[in-house]
Amino acid sequence: NAGVTQTPKFRILKIGQSMTLQCAQDMNHNYMYWYRQDPGMGLKLIYYSVGAGITDKGEVPNGYNVSRSTTEDFPLRLELAAPSQTSVYFCASSYGQEAYEQYFGPGTRLTVT
Amino acid sequence: ILNVEQSPQSLHVQEGDSTNFTCSFPSSNFYALHWYRWETAKSPEALFVMTLNGDEKKKGRISATLNTKEGYSYLYIKGSQPEDSATYLCAFTGGTYKYIFGTGTRLKVLA
Repeated sequence: NAGVTQTPKFRILKIGQSMTLQCAQDMNHNYMYWYRQDPGMGLKLIYYSVGAGITDKGEVPNGYNVSRSTTEDFPLRLELAAPSQTSVYFCASSYGQEAYEQYFGPGTRLTVT
Repeated sequence: ILNVEQSPQSLHVQEGDSTNFTCSFPSSNFYALHWYRWETAKSPEALFVMTLNGDEKKKGRISATLNTKEGYSYLYIKGSQPEDSATYLCAFTGGTYKYIFGTGTRLKVLA
């Protein structure tokens, strides 16, 4: 099993550009999550999904969109990149809700200039 | 707003020392408390998930306890080794599908 994979590993965007961060898992997990990690701030939840076709907002959803058309994939879309979106983005998945551990991808380091 | 606090923010210990850190979380609507280990340039990896008041979990030299009534969990490392150097994260879940993470305790074990 590859676990949770994320692409790209690094990306530099100009202000106003758009991009999609890809996340895939091969563990047949229903639950998937997107976090951003800023220095000294811990992991903040952007969006989550409890199954294909179902998504919901986390703590910091502004400026992002997600979709979940399959169990495996959970892409995160940035429509108009802003410097405040410079961060490290982690995708995670879990077999069940809340009492199940999360499996994290390797992260995407995004810089917006 | 649900807050999860971890203390200390960072600490340095000598190899062989035992150490512990604290995670404080809301005592209402508790569902589970998670501990993760996060090495530099890697992803967080799960250590423990605890759901019951009084739970104790152990993995090698690392153990954790849970007090849901007062809203805290302790993580203990016995005989710290340089390879224990990492950030230790806790996360609270409270019936909303969301995992609320603390900012972590950064441990550095000096050889």
